Amino acid sequence: SQTIHQWPATLVQPVGSPLSLECTVEGTSNPNLYWYRQAAGRGLQLLFYSVGIGQISSEVPQNLSASRPQDRQFILSSKKLLLSDSGFYLCAWGGQGQHQPQHFGDGTRLSIL
Amino acid sequence: ILNVEQSPQSLHVQEGDSTNFTCSFPSSNFYALHWYRWETAKSPEALFVMTLNGDEKKKGRISATLNTKEGYSYLYIKGSQPEDSATYLCASNYGGSQGNLIFGKGTKLSVKP
Repeated sequence: SQTIHQWPATLVQPVGSPLSLECTVEGTSNPNLYWYRQAAGRGLQLLFYSVGIGQISSEVPQNLSASRPQDRQFILSSKKLLLSDSGFYLCAWGGQGQHQPQHFGDGTRLSIL
Repeated sequence: ILNVEQSPQSLHVQEGDSTNFTCSFPSSNFYALHWYRWETAKSPEALFVMTLNGDEKKKGRISATLNTKEGYSYLYIKGSQPEDSATYLCASNYGGSQGNLIFGKGTKLSVKP
C-alpha cells in the first residue's frame, strides 16, 4: 500500500533562518507531488506541484522553493524565512490523471518568530 | 481568479440529524470536483472525486452530488454520528491531469452525542 511521510511535525524558526521540509512517498511510482499551505483563517493553497523528477511548477510568487531530486521525494525550502511564511504545510501525492484523489501527509506546523 | 466557496462555514448538529453542505466552484474549465474529510490531528482523507454533471456518489452514510453547469456540489450526511465531526473540504481541479486543486475554506461539522 502507498504511504506518505512528512517531517518534521512542528518547527519553530527565527525570521531570516533557512527552511527544509521533506516529504517521501512509498508504494507508488511517478506520482504527482504537491506542497500546500494553510495560513491562519484561509483554505489550503497550492504552492508547488511536480509531475516528474526535476519538474517543479510554482502556483504563487513567494519566498519558498521546491525540489524533486528523486521520484518519490519532494522538498520545500527557503533561504530566509519571513513572518508571513508561518502556517501549516501539507505534502500530498496523486496519481496521473484528472480523476485521481490526492493523499496527504500529516503536515508540518511552522511558526516563525 | 478561480475561487471555491463553501457554506456554511460551521455547523453544529445533534447525533442522528441529517445535514448537508454546499460547494460552489467555477463552471468553466472544469475537470473534477474533490471532497475531503479533515479530522483534527489527522491528514485530509479523500471522500469523492466527481467529474460528470449529475453524478452522485455514496460512501456509507455520506453522499455527494455534482452540477457542473451551474457550478455546485452538495455533500450529504445521513444520521450524523460524533465520529463524523471534522472539517469537510471541497476542491476544484483546474489543472487537468496535473491535478492542481483550488480548495474552499471548508465546513466544520460538530456532532453532539
